[in-house]
Amino acid sequence: EIVMTQTPLSSPVTLGQPASISCRSSQSLVHSDGTTYLSWFQQRPGQPPRLLIYKISNRFSGVPDRFSGSGAGTDFTLKISRVEAEDVGVYYCMQATQFPRGFTFGQGTKLEI
Amino acid sequence: QVQLVESGGGVVQPGRSLRLSCAASGFSFSGCAMHWVRQAPGKGLEWVAVISNDGNTKYYADSVKGRVTISRDNSKNMLYLQMDSLRAEDAAIYYCAKDLSGGWTPDYWGQGTLVTVSS
Repeated sequence: EIVMTQTPLSSPVTLGQPASISCRSSQSLVHSDGTTYLSWFQQRPGQPPRLLIYKISNRFSGVPDRFSGSGAGTDFTLKISRVEAEDVGVYYCMQATQFPRGFTFGQGTKLEI
Repeated sequence: QVQLVESGGGVVQPGRSLRLSCAASGFSFSGCAMHWVRQAPGKGLEWVAVISNDGNTKYYADSVKGRVTISRDNSKNMLYLQMDSLRAEDAAIYYCAKDLSGGWTPDYWGQGTLVTVSS
């Protein structure tokens, strides 16, 4: 099973400043079809998760362009260029490369002002 | 717009069964794979199961394999999760989610339904 490790687990941020979350997988996430199925989700307090980024760097519909994803192989990063108050919540990375043996989430990173 | 509404959660005794439902609207349900993902109170996300758009292919997390069955009724735009032999560790909010076509990623999520396992 692929283990996803996020750092930091908690991140105090300043409004208007950038923020960055790292996600590392225990194995390469490059699928045999050449695609890397690595996604990022945001979960605001009391809300269901929301897809932000898929396949490393593709922003999902309606996601502000201050969110960006990057990385390759086993190391991935979610960046927020300028944190806004509404960005408070927990962020999860998720891999689907090992499908159908399962999808695996990281432990989550709590972003707090 | 995409809407996913879960129901069927509640308090159930260990060893008993429960069936969760998810009503889908606002998209071509029969064209999309669907997921169940759960979240224990105060914990992170755990993927539970996925079913193909036609219902013929199903995959489960090892933690629920043999105790849980995912199914769908495309004529009713409904997704289901039959949970048997429930354990304390199955207590969680259960979310249904639509799959991003070609992305193997849950994109739209419902609000979730809470399952409590307690004697």
